[in-house]
Amino acid sequence: KQEVTQIPAALSVPEGENLVLNCSFTDSAIYNLQWFRQDPGKGLTSLLLIQSSQREQTSGRLNASLDKSSGRSTLYIAASQPGDSATYLCAVRFIQTGANSKLTFGKGITLSVRP
Amino acid sequence: DARVTQTPRHKVTEMGQEVTMRCQPILGHNTVFWYRQTMMQGLELLAYFRNRAPLDDSGMPKDRFSAEMPDATLATLKIQPSEPRDSAVYFCASDLGQGGTDTQYFGPGTRLTVL
Repeated sequence: KQEVTQIPAALSVPEGENLVLNCSFTDSAIYNLQWFRQDPGKGLTSLLLIQSSQREQTSGRLNASLDKSSGRSTLYIAASQPGDSATYLCAVRFIQTGANSKLTFGKGITLSVRP
Repeated sequence: DARVTQTPRHKVTEMGQEVTMRCQPILGHNTVFWYRQTMMQGLELLAYFRNRAPLDDSGMPKDRFSAEMPDATLATLKIQPSEPRDSAVYFCASDLGQGGTDTQYFGPGTRLTVL
């Protein structure tokens, strides 16, 4: 069974700190991996999508890496700000479930950045 | 600014009542997903459609839930009869159906409370 795990479930850091959010998945045969952000009471917003052939993607202060062989991805947030406080979800599109098919989500990491 | 829209945003109902949630995918997107999010289970896929045809509804309790796409601009999720355990946030998402390169776009969700 393909699963996506995010640990810890919650994280609190002081403003300005660089931080890493981790995601692990059970099957290295994937099409892509996506990081989403969810603010309280809101839907999910896609942050970065990494194709299976890629090692990393960058957008502003965010950098996501992918290591398929070890089944890991990290989301690096540089110089964290209180506005980064949200829940970050990792989602994987596994090959076994078909190319045009579902994402499997982790349960998310709730990040709090203290002023 | 293309967005997935969902109505209603909030719904409170009593056990046994019928609930209908609606979703308008982004124009041009041919794949529509229904998810349910709870604190305990996280984000679960209920069903999804490609070109209005159901591809997978294995995540949906068949006895009370039904999902349809009457046309390309409208997806519906119906619960009849509703139960307290159905209380959750229901998200609709859409994408272009291009498999490995796709980003899913989420609506704001319908927060359902069944008393």
